[in-house]
Amino acid sequence: GDSVTQMEGPVTLSEEAFLTINCTYTATGYPSLFWYVQYPGEGLQLLLKATKADDKGSNKGFEATYRKETTSFHLEKGSVQVSDSAVYFCALSLLFTGGGNKLTFGTGTQLKVEL
Amino acid sequence: GAVVSQHPSRVICKSGTSVKIECRSLDFQATTMFWYRQFPKQSLMLMATSNEGSKATYEQGVEKDKFLINHASLTLSTLTVTSAHPEDSSFYICSANYYSEAFFGQGTRLTVV
Repeated sequence: GDSVTQMEGPVTLSEEAFLTINCTYTATGYPSLFWYVQYPGEGLQLLLKATKADDKGSNKGFEATYRKETTSFHLEKGSVQVSDSAVYFCALSLLFTGGGNKLTFGTGTQLKVEL
Repeated sequence: GAVVSQHPSRVICKSGTSVKIECRSLDFQATTMFWYRQFPKQSLMLMATSNEGSKATYEQGVEKDKFLINHASLTLSTLTVTSAHPEDSSFYICSANYYSEAFFGQGTRLTVV
């Protein structure tokens, strides 16, 4: 079946450090890929997405590139801030490019950024 | 963006009792909502798809008699955990689509003692 594997946390970084959260997937077709973020006490929010191979999603300084050859969608940010502290979920959807339906999630990676 | 509100955020109940969790789309109508469950250090797993005015569609392995879903209006879906047991303790989260993007509630932490 379809699955998403992402690196375990928690990840603790100093402010302005470089962030990478690895995500790989297994899917029978050509999925759309997503990163969601959950800030403390809030629901999941879409951070960025990519719908086909070699697409790069970006938002708020975060980037991820859809790599079909390595079945990966790693999340990166060049300089993290304390306000980036949250849980990050990698997800895929095979049904709709909008990604609203039947998302398959990774386990989530907690990021803590310290001064 | 659209807002999905989930209530309560935390609930503790005794074993054998039932608990109802509400999921509301505050500023849009949602004919379909989704219910997920997350165990500690595991993925969010889709439990069921809630359809307004009709029966919910449950994923394989999810007990429909235990997890009752009612989607009586275009802005409200409810999940009732019946005869709850400690193994039902988990994080439950709902979502609804707005223009093909998924919007999530804040989640409900259920603890059964």
